[in-house]
Amino acid sequence: KQEVTQIPAALSVPEGENLVLNCSFTDSAIYNLQWFRQDPGKGLTSLLLIQSSQREQTSGRLNASLDKSSGRSTLYIAASQPGDSATYLCAVRWTDKLIFGTGTRLQVFP
Amino acid sequence: NAGVTQTPKFRVLKTGQSMTLLCAQDMNHEYMYWYRQDPGMGLRLIHYSVGEGTTAKGEVPDGYNVSRLKKQNFLLGLESAAPSQTSVYFCASSQGLAVEQFFGPGTRLTVL
Repeated sequence: KQEVTQIPAALSVPEGENLVLNCSFTDSAIYNLQWFRQDPGKGLTSLLLIQSSQREQTSGRLNASLDKSSGRSTLYIAASQPGDSATYLCAVRWTDKLIFGTGTRLQVFP
Repeated sequence: NAGVTQTPKFRVLKTGQSMTLLCAQDMNHEYMYWYRQDPGMGLRLIHYSVGEGTTAKGEVPDGYNVSRLKKQNFLLGLESAAPSQTSVYFCASSQGLAVEQFFGPGTRLTVL
């Protein structure tokens, strides 16, 4: 069965820290993996999309890596800011199925 | 561009009532999706469409119907609402099946 897991469920860090969010998945035959941000009461905002042939993608202070063989992706946030506080979701696509993790709720305090 | 919009933002229904949620996108995307988000369960796909006039079942389709009469609109219907359908509903669209999806702001539905 294809599953996506995100650990930890919640994370609280002081401003300025570099941090890593984890996403693990079963079945390495993925098409791509997408990281989203969700603010409370809002929809999902796409952050990064990594195709199965890629190892990483970068956007500003965000860097997402993909290791298919180990079934893992990480989202690295550099120099975290209070405005980064949100829930971060990863979603993995296999053939015609897209499965979401339950997210990591991040709080960055001043 | 407005992107993906959803109507209404909030709704309270009584058990057995019916309603329709509207999703509209202005990006000329072929694919559209309806998801529900429940605490601790992640987003789950209800139905999706690969083009105007087409619909297909997702992971949790029971109790819902959909229609895609126009390319830009995707409607989600509840014929007889049940408390188990209390959730936040998200619509999304994409140009292809394996590319980035864009999400609407969500509809919070409560069924009493």
